[in-house]
Amino acid sequence: GAVVSQHPSWVICKSGTSVKIECRSLDFQATTMFWYRQFPKQSLMLMATSNEGSKATYEQGVEKDKFLINHASLTLSTLTVTSAHPEDSSFYICSAPQPFPYGYTFGSGTRLTVV
Amino acid sequence: QQQVKQSPQSLIVQKGGISIINCAYENTAFDYFPWYQQFPGKGPALLIAIRPDVSEKKEGRFTISFNKSAKQFSLHIMDSQPGDSATYFCAASNTGNQFYFGTGTSLTVIP
Repeated sequence: GAVVSQHPSWVICKSGTSVKIECRSLDFQATTMFWYRQFPKQSLMLMATSNEGSKATYEQGVEKDKFLINHASLTLSTLTVTSAHPEDSSFYICSAPQPFPYGYTFGSGTRLTVV
Repeated sequence: QQQVKQSPQSLIVQKGGISIINCAYENTAFDYFPWYQQFPGKGPALLIAIRPDVSEKKEGRFTISFNKSAKQFSLHIMDSQPGDSATYFCAASNTGNQFYFGTGTSLTVIP
């Protein structure tokens, strides 16, 4: 089946630094990638939608200058958390529409801890 | 605005029992209703999904019941096992567009 590989699985960074999270579609082309944020024991909250070759679309309340999304190719989308602060600590998950069967496949998630 | 409402928030079931999680939606344009299973520290994984042209879909111990007129759908886990302990999310989408997730149900199956 379709696989989205997400790296890193966990990262600890210092406050004020930037962190890049990568999601790669391994055996299919992902023209669209959804980025979610999940707090402990809560549901997934859509942050933004990236489309290959165009600017990402951000959900209301999501700072586009803090969460930079790049979708430079049909197999790679990245989320960069810039000038990270402790409140950015969360679980970030990417998801892409899979070709068949219809649905969305998720990455394994990245646990970001900002200290 | 919560597009998909899910209940209960948490559920404790004895091994061998039936786990039932319910979801309701408002948007009649939704045409795809998946359930996802998520273990701690992992991304959600597709468990089972249904389209509104059928009222029930069964895959092993997992069954989705769908009531189009009531705009409700539910997940039934038969013969629940400790390994089924996870968080379950229902979702809904209009083909090709984003998914809307329920708030999740934390299932604990007691041995």
